[in-house]
Amino acid sequence: SQQGEEDPQALSIQEGENATMNCSYKTSINNLQWYRQNSGRGLVHLILIRSNEREKHSGRLRVTLDTSKKSSSLLITASRAADTASYFCATDASGSARQLTFGSGTQLTVLP
Amino acid sequence: EAGVAQSPRYKIIEKRQSVAFWCNPISGHATLYWYQQILGQGPKLLIQFQNNGVVDDSQLPKDRFSAERLKGVDSTLKIQPAKLEDSAVYLCASSPGQVGNEKLFFGSGTQLSVL
Repeated sequence: SQQGEEDPQALSIQEGENATMNCSYKTSINNLQWYRQNSGRGLVHLILIRSNEREKHSGRLRVTLDTSKKSSSLLITASRAADTASYFCATDASGSARQLTFGSGTQLTVLP
Repeated sequence: EAGVAQSPRYKIIEKRQSVAFWCNPISGHATLYWYQQILGQGPKLLIQFQNNGVVDDSQLPKDRFSAERLKGVDSTLKIQPAKLEDSAVYLCASSPGQVGNEKLFFGSGTQLSVL
């Protein structure tokens, strides 16, 4: 079963605009991660945020985590055509059944 | 640093045939994962190894899937016999450290088509 669910499923924006993707999950977590997948390729790790953190930045990426609402958001600022990809959140559930579980992804298209 | 290597890149077989995938993780990475990714979905964990021991294989269909990690390094995933619903991309990933589940490095995957 998939713990994280991304919203929206698809997003199309113009180059230079910001893109925001959301992830909701169901159980307590140790950390939440975001990955990018270009078409026909493997996933690339973008950023990890731990359960005791609320916000994290990496270059043009900003991730927030609200454990009370069991949700996270990924903001990509000043988007570029090269940001076109699928974005997945992945949750590392706390407790004995530790498993990194991926959501169904958001397909981001950045138009030049 | 070399990435996670997987082979073959593509495989087409008929149902009821067998198939094997190979993965060489990043040198020194203790944890190795096999994920199945069906078109349009996120990856689903099949099996997770810590060194050469199995940590989690709860979602591995054990009647037809098997996996091993030789000497805590390379790994093979086998399907025998294959079904139509096994058509997917099989992704191998590895992560450093003994805890696992942090910053996975993925290979490019093997795309399997079962006809």
